[in-house]
Amino acid sequence: KAGVTQTPRYLIKTRGQQVTLSCSPISGHRSVSWYQQTPGQGLQFLFEYFSETQRNKGNFPGRFSGRQFSNSRSEMNVSTLELGDSALYLCASSLGSGKRTEAFFGQGTRLTVV
Amino acid sequence: AQKITQTQPGMFVQEKEAVTLDCTYDTSDQSYGLFWYKQPSSGEMIFLIYQGSYDEQNATEGRYSLNFQKARKSANLVISASQLGDSAMYFCAMRRPDSGGSNYKLTFGKGTLLTVNP
Repeated sequence: KAGVTQTPRYLIKTRGQQVTLSCSPISGHRSVSWYQQTPGQGLQFLFEYFSETQRNKGNFPGRFSGRQFSNSRSEMNVSTLELGDSALYLCASSLGSGKRTEAFFGQGTRLTVV
Repeated sequence: AQKITQTQPGMFVQEKEAVTLDCTYDTSDQSYGLFWYKQPSSGEMIFLIYQGSYDEQNATEGRYSLNFQKARKSANLVISASQLGDSAMYFCAMRRPDSGGSNYKLTFGKGTLLTVNP
């Protein structure tokens, strides 16, 4: 069974630009969550989508947005990039979000803003 | 507010020895789940072990065991017989109910970098 696929793996963007990252979850998984990982802040929750609806949102500015399609694939978008947006962005898919639901992660997209 | 605390930014262990990675958490919820993930340098997070808040026995998965002390709100990971391939970042995580109560959001600690020496 294919794992979680994130594209692209690496990305270099200029400050002020916008970027779209993609995540294809494991087949059958309807929940997709996004995390930002930086050395200083660790893993921070961005948002969670379930069946095309945003179910939870972290404490990030409105420049960070996402969506989920009917096939459960998800995209996240960051507009007006800042240097501080440089991070590893991880996507996790799961069947749902119950207490013992395991989240499966992709290898991440490493975004560098210059 | 930080809900998961991992006090050891880095740990060193000799190959074949056991190591304990600390994790404490803060929640007033009765129902929650605790997880440990491993992140090698490749970046992918790998699930290791799970402990439910109502589970009376400590979870074990091969060389991994979770020392769950509910009253102390701690969920330490014990790795026995360390191997060179265990060198990685280790994250403690918790699923607790969101404000609506029906979904369990997953949040992470800041991680511990484990280095296994030959």
